[in-house]
Amino acid sequence: DTGVSQDPRHKITKRGQNVTFRCDPISEHNRLYWYRQTLGQGPEFLTYFQNEAQLEKSRLLSDRFSAERPKGSFSTLEIQRTEQGDSAMYLCASSLVAGGLWEQFFGPGTRLTVL
Amino acid sequence: DQQVKQNSPSLSVQEGRISILNCDYTNSMFDYFLWYKKYPAEGPTFLISISSIKDKNEDGRFTVFLNKSAKHLSLHIVPSQPGDSAVYFCAASRVQYGNKLVFGAGTILRVKS
Repeated sequence: DTGVSQDPRHKITKRGQNVTFRCDPISEHNRLYWYRQTLGQGPEFLTYFQNEAQLEKSRLLSDRFSAERPKGSFSTLEIQRTEQGDSAMYLCASSLVAGGLWEQFFGPGTRLTVL
Repeated sequence: DQQVKQNSPSLSVQEGRISILNCDYTNSMFDYFLWYKKYPAEGPTFLISISSIKDKNEDGRFTVFLNKSAKHLSLHIVPSQPGDSAVYFCAASRVQYGNKLVFGAGTILRVKS
């Protein structure tokens, strides 16, 4: 399977704990995006990388959130001191910015539940 | 403010008939539009896209229409099949500004057999 993969698929944690999610994009894709989706809403942009450079962070991304893409391949999203409001589906998407191709391809998501 | 709106929370269609899903946007600077399909517990699956320089794009049973003056796009599915039952999201972006997708809230499509 050469699609976008995310790990874990589900995470249950207690308020105040730290969690880390991983995303492996499609191998030749140079852009990687993180989105968050809550019930009844569409995904909302959090941050994106071009290769290893983090180019933009949304105002939704508080200082408890940090994302990395150290070698321009996989990415991690860490949430420190989780709060119940962090409960959501965290989606990763990748794209190849070349030749007018702008489609983003999503992974299956990581569902976070903060108790 | 909600820049992309899908005003119909749900739509029910008979198998074999046409499904029409609608989407409105407010930001005239958007230049790329996409439709995604989502099943429960899965990530969104890309369906079809259209650039702002076009007014129609077709791929098999799926056609997307863009009306820039009305800031409106629609997805037509012909013929509808039971396997098309899912949540459909429209999304818009500005490709030269990071191509960050702005999504609508989704429309639940039910195709009855």
